[in-house]
Amino acid sequence: ETGVTQSPTHLIKTRGQQVTLRCSSQSGHNTVSWYQQALGQGPQFIFQYYREEENGRGNFPPRFSGLQFPNYSSELNVNALELDDSALYLCASSLGDSSNYGYTFGSGTRLTVV
Amino acid sequence: SQQGEEDPQALSIQEGENATMNCSYKTSINNLQWYRQNSGRGLVHLILIRSNEREKHSGRLRVTLDTSKKSSSLLITASRAADTASYFCATDPNDYKLSFGAGTTVTVRA
Repeated sequence: ETGVTQSPTHLIKTRGQQVTLRCSSQSGHNTVSWYQQALGQGPQFIFQYYREEENGRGNFPPRFSGLQFPNYSSELNVNALELDDSALYLCASSLGDSSNYGYTFGSGTRLTVV
Repeated sequence: SQQGEEDPQALSIQEGENATMNCSYKTSINNLQWYRQNSGRGLVHLILIRSNEREKHSGRLRVTLDTSKKSSSLLITASRAADTASYFCATDPNDYKLSFGAGTTVTVRA
């Protein structure tokens, strides 16, 4: 159903550790966005990358960083993990401006920080 | 902060009935999108309605948009058990992010 693949599916980390989440965008999609979804809430925008450059950022501290690669895969890195970072992390890709096409979301990575 | 707010928070209906949920937002938008999420997994794009459109249909889905009231509604007709999910509205006030509400949880009883 979805052309966006995220790995790993689940992850448990200890407070203070670092984590890297990966996303493989739908073929041809040059825009990738990352969202954090806490339990019972809607997704919150973290940042977006367009053609390997950060294109916008939400209200998240600098310890949340990202990369987008030429093959449209991307990473979300979180340093110095805190308990509140426990959430579902969603990657979404789109072909340029979402106003025309909407976003294709991956199934997410469930991160638990203990 | 979340731009869109869905109402109601939860909805329980019998299979075959219609389900209606509403979304209100705060700022001007380029478009409004509805997504479905099953069991806390990925979001599935359902429908996008642009700010100059008033109504849009897709299969059993009907979306309306009233920009003067900053509100939208999603109607699912002839509901099925497979429609059990959380539904989110998302607004696109600028070009680079979606702002989601907290969602409406729909349960369709057999």
